[in-house]
Amino acid sequence: AQRVTQPEKLLSVFKGAPVELKCNYSYSGSPELFWYVQYSRQRLQLLLRHISRESIKGFTADLNKGETSFHLKKPFAQEEDSAMYYCAPGDNYGQNFVFGPGTRLSVLP
Amino acid sequence: GAVVSQHPSRVICKSGTSVKIECRSLDFQATTMFWYRQFPKQSLMLMATSNEGSKATYEQGVEKDKFLINHASLTLSTLTVTSAHPEDSSFYICSARRERVLGTDTQYFGPGTRLTVL
Repeated sequence: AQRVTQPEKLLSVFKGAPVELKCNYSYSGSPELFWYVQYSRQRLQLLLRHISRESIKGFTADLNKGETSFHLKKPFAQEEDSAMYYCAPGDNYGQNFVFGPGTRLSVLP
Repeated sequence: GAVVSQHPSRVICKSGTSVKIECRSLDFQATTMFWYRQFPKQSLMLMATSNEGSKATYEQGVEKDKFLINHASLTLSTLTVTSAHPEDSSFYICSARRERVLGTDTQYFGPGTRLTVL
């Protein structure tokens, strides 16, 4: 069965501290992995995807196929990073069938 | 950037009535759109994939006669909740896939529609 777990519902860190949002997946085949972000009162938007191997807003994510994880990291959190983050496996066509439960990141001043 | 709109943003209806929600890709054509449902404090759940010019593909457990999807053009998909009941009250979100000739496709999400069935 396809499943995504994000163990932390809420993660609070202080500004400037490192942050890691965990994501583990159980998915058939070799999925593409995505992170989506939803800022307050805004729509869901793509943050980054594994295949692009890019850093967006200072965030990076490493795919560990052995551990089936795709944790999102940022070395120095900013207050504007406060948002809801969803991990989502998908395919190469940008199609996401399953979303994780989400982690609310709160960056404190 | 690519924009996807939804209309209405919120709707309240009586039990037994039908409600239509529109999803439009404003500045690109989308042969594929998706409909999600989100319950309070829960994640998005894919309901169906809407394909332009053909029948929608429904996820397991989603009643196709209950949630009618029509993707009549490359910029518009509609979701009609037929004979709505209070348990259909939810936040419905659509997305549209922007296809790339070079590079990977990307989903762009609408702002969502809050449906409340009394």
